[in-house]
Amino acid sequence: AQSVTQLGSHVSVSEGALVLLRCNYSSSVPPYLFWYVQYPNQGLQLLLKYTTGATLVKGINGFEAEFKKSETSFHLTKPSAHMSDAAEYFCAVSVYPNFGNEKLTFGTGTRLTIIP
Amino acid sequence: GAVVSQHPSRVICKSGTSVKIECRSLDFQATTMFWYRQFPKQSLMLMATSNEGSKATYEQGVEKDKFLINHASLTLSTLTVTSAHPEDSSFYICSAGDLERAKNIQYFGAGTRLSVL
Repeated sequence: AQSVTQLGSHVSVSEGALVLLRCNYSSSVPPYLFWYVQYPNQGLQLLLKYTTGATLVKGINGFEAEFKKSETSFHLTKPSAHMSDAAEYFCAVSVYPNFGNEKLTFGTGTRLTIIP
Repeated sequence: GAVVSQHPSRVICKSGTSVKIECRSLDFQATTMFWYRQFPKQSLMLMATSNEGSKATYEQGVEKDKFLINHASLTLSTLTVTSAHPEDSSFYICSAGDLERAKNIQYFGAGTRLSVL
């Protein structure tokens, strides 16, 4: 079975500083990896995903993530934090690609706080 | 992008009553929808996979008679929490996959916060 570990349940960065949210996965087969963002009392919005091909993936709102197989990691970064980035971020993994219908396993989430 | 509508956004009910939550894909067809439960400050836990026209597949530990799922059309799935009790209070989120436009992506509803008194 696959699993996801998000290091740091809370991360605080100053506005304009680098954002780094860590995600490590465990999977016996090549994984599909996702980052989702959740704003208070809302559902999840897809930031970016890695399936195959280029290991550096760019997403919405200036976020990007790099798939590193040797480190089993998929860390999320953004060069310059904005106040609107404050939210909960979830890393997720899937190993049974089925055209959008695969089951996702989520990490426990990281709450990002932006300091003015 | 694809939109998933979930209704109601919040419901408060008395213990022993049943509550129905709707999940609709507004501009695409979804043969499969997923139902998740999220406890405060925790991650999403998959409860069941809802397949159009067939029985839902429940995750281990989820009572199928407690959480009834119906997926009668390609755009609508419902979750009914039967005889709700305070321990059922939680945030319930649905998601749906868009087979036509976006492979390997699930679109999520805004969630339903259930409070059982």
